[in-house]
Amino acid sequence: DIVMTQSPVSLAVSLGERATINCKSSQNVFYSSNKKNYLAWFQQKPGQPPKLLIYWASIRESGVPDRFSGSGSGTDFTLTISSLQAEDVAVYYCQQFYNTPFTFGPGTKVDIK
Amino acid sequence: QVQLVQSGAEVKKPGASVKVSCEASGYTFNVYYIHWVRQAPGQGLEWMGRIQPNSGATDYAQKFQGRVTMTRDTSITTAYLDVSRLRSDDTAVYYCGRDFRNAAIDNWGQGTLVTVSS
Repeated sequence: DIVMTQSPVSLAVSLGERATINCKSSQNVFYSSNKKNYLAWFQQKPGQPPKLLIYWASIRESGVPDRFSGSGSGTDFTLTISSLQAEDVAVYYCQQFYNTPFTFGPGTKVDIK
Repeated sequence: QVQLVQSGAEVKKPGASVKVSCEASGYTFNVYYIHWVRQAPGQGLEWMGRIQPNSGATDYAQKFQGRVTMTRDTSITTAYLDVSRLRSDDTAVYYCGRDFRNAAIDNWGQGTLVTVSS
């Protein structure tokens, strides 16, 4: 199975400041045939299902604010919130869609400093 | 709009089985995988498996092989998750989700809380 790790476990950022979350996969999740990284990012608020933010490592889902961006390739990926807003307080998960089982990272909790 | 509506909360005794439903609407049900993901209280997300509604083909996480069955009824655009031989550590919210691009789950059900307690 592909093991997903995330860092940090939690972070607190001032409103309007940048938040950066890292995700690492134990194996490459890049398909050379279509040049896509099969890595997604989700936001989950308490009592709600996860919400898709980013797929294929860097494609923003429709309706997601452009302060959210994804980058990286192969085994190392980053989710960046360029200017943290109060409504961004949540837990963020990465998930690989390269091989079954489609494993999730353990999550990163983002709070306001 | 795409909607996935799940069945209500369940309380089960250890050793029992539970069946959770996920009714889809707003898109062509047969075309896109339905995934099942669970979340124990205060814990992270755990992928359980997926079903292709057209063929009925399934992929299960090894951890759940033999104890989990995913089925569907295309006539009523509903997917089902059966978990047997329930244990206390199966207590969790179970989510269904649609996979639109074979790349990520883009629409999620509201979740179904399954509590296993004697």
